[in-house]
Amino acid sequence: DSGVTQTPKHLITATGQRVTLRCSPRSGDLSVYWYQQSLDQGLQFLIQYYNGEERAKGNILERFSAQQFPDLHSELNLSSLELGDSALYFCASSISGGALDEQFFGPGTRLTVL
Amino acid sequence: DQQVKQNSPSLSVQEGRISILNCDYTNSMFDYFLWYKKYPAEGPTFLISISSIKDKNEDGRFTVFLNKSAKHLSLHIVPSQPGDSAVYFCAARGFRTGKLIFGQGTTLQVKP
Repeated sequence: DSGVTQTPKHLITATGQRVTLRCSPRSGDLSVYWYQQSLDQGLQFLIQYYNGEERAKGNILERFSAQQFPDLHSELNLSSLELGDSALYFCASSISGGALDEQFFGPGTRLTVL
Repeated sequence: DQQVKQNSPSLSVQEGRISILNCDYTNSMFDYFLWYKKYPAEGPTFLISISSIKDKNEDGRFTVFLNKSAKHLSLHIVPSQPGDSAVYFCAARGFRTGKLIFGQGTTLQVKP
């Protein structure tokens, strides 16, 4: 158990809908990362937050947005969902978001768009 | 643009033998490389890493080798155990950034 929790574990929805994925970092960690793993693909970095502020952005679509709240939990919002958005979404956390920090991953949320 | 590639989707090895997992990268600005291990229904867990200033790092049964001129790294597991059966991801980190670039993963099966 990494100490990072993600809810829900599974999510099934239809095209065009909007969903919210939630992540609680390890106790004491200030930085949160979101990754997407599509079928047969590696994890693709989406976005990173540190203490409520966006720190780095990766291949995140404009239909996707994220935020980190004062209690340090984070939410990833996916809207106008398409079939291709079906994937595993992982959240990771680290102490300070620095380059040398170890990232601890949650178990992921499996999103299925029908 | 796949900056980190694991060209072998799967590998099967007999228990007790050596497992060698390979990874290639294209960006010479990467300064830190990591291997993660992932079991089904769990998130990736950190296994071992290597800085770009080194060519080898060892931790118990796990050794990572880095060949910067070839932009290639490999993970050696000796001896392999059935509990090592998992998906292994290679990842690279750019200079001064926490962003990880992952390969597609290699599924290792260690047969008893």
